[in-house]
Amino acid sequence: NAGVTQTPKFRVLKTGQSMTLLCAQDMNHEYMYWYRQDPGMGLRLIHYSVGEGTTAKGEVPDGYNVSRLKKQNFLLGLESAAPSQTSVYFCASSPQGARQPQHFGDGTRLSIL
Amino acid sequence: AQSVTQLDSQVPVFEEAPVELRCNYSSSVSVYLFWYVQYPNQGLQLLLKYLSGSTLVKGINGFEAEFNKSQTSFHLRKPSVHISDTAEYFCAVSGAFSGGYNKLIFGAGTRLAVHP
Repeated sequence: NAGVTQTPKFRVLKTGQSMTLLCAQDMNHEYMYWYRQDPGMGLRLIHYSVGEGTTAKGEVPDGYNVSRLKKQNFLLGLESAAPSQTSVYFCASSPQGARQPQHFGDGTRLSIL
Repeated sequence: AQSVTQLDSQVPVFEEAPVELRCNYSSSVSVYLFWYVQYPNQGLQLLLKYLSGSTLVKGINGFEAEFNKSQTSFHLRKPSVHISDTAEYFCAVSGAFSGGYNKLIFGAGTRLAVHP
């Protein structure tokens, strides 16, 4: 009963390096989301997807790219990491509909030096 | 625009005491309301939700919340807290403003610290 799985759990990068965060869900949900969590700011939506092959920008998309080639996977990429991207990143998924709660992974703690 | 305000950033409380975490929202359309809990180094877990019907909703771990439409509030309560309730709590709202996806607007969070 995995739910939403994020890899890796921790990562340290140097400024300018690139990396990809992977999110996988086994609940057959249509919608998937990437958030970042910073102290005192709650969760802010980076990008989201309403189905396989679709992606869209959220509140804070700059510096990130995403892809959803398979329904169960949602990838978040940082092409050239910056210290301002140091954060905890959460992936979530949900069925379609505003009444549906989102299900979250355990997060990826990313530090950019 | 829609927004969620959690009125307390931190709430210290002694074990077995009652607690209330306050949440107010602003929206011009009907909303659905959620409380999530985040234990240290974990993701967010759904505590309870209000979709429609009875304004008092019960959740996991003995928590409950009351939806008050006139006050635009959705306060979370527990009559007697345990040390294990120490966590961060997030209020969130979704609704007809979703614009094609399940847009969820979060408050900034309230850190509940339960002391022995």
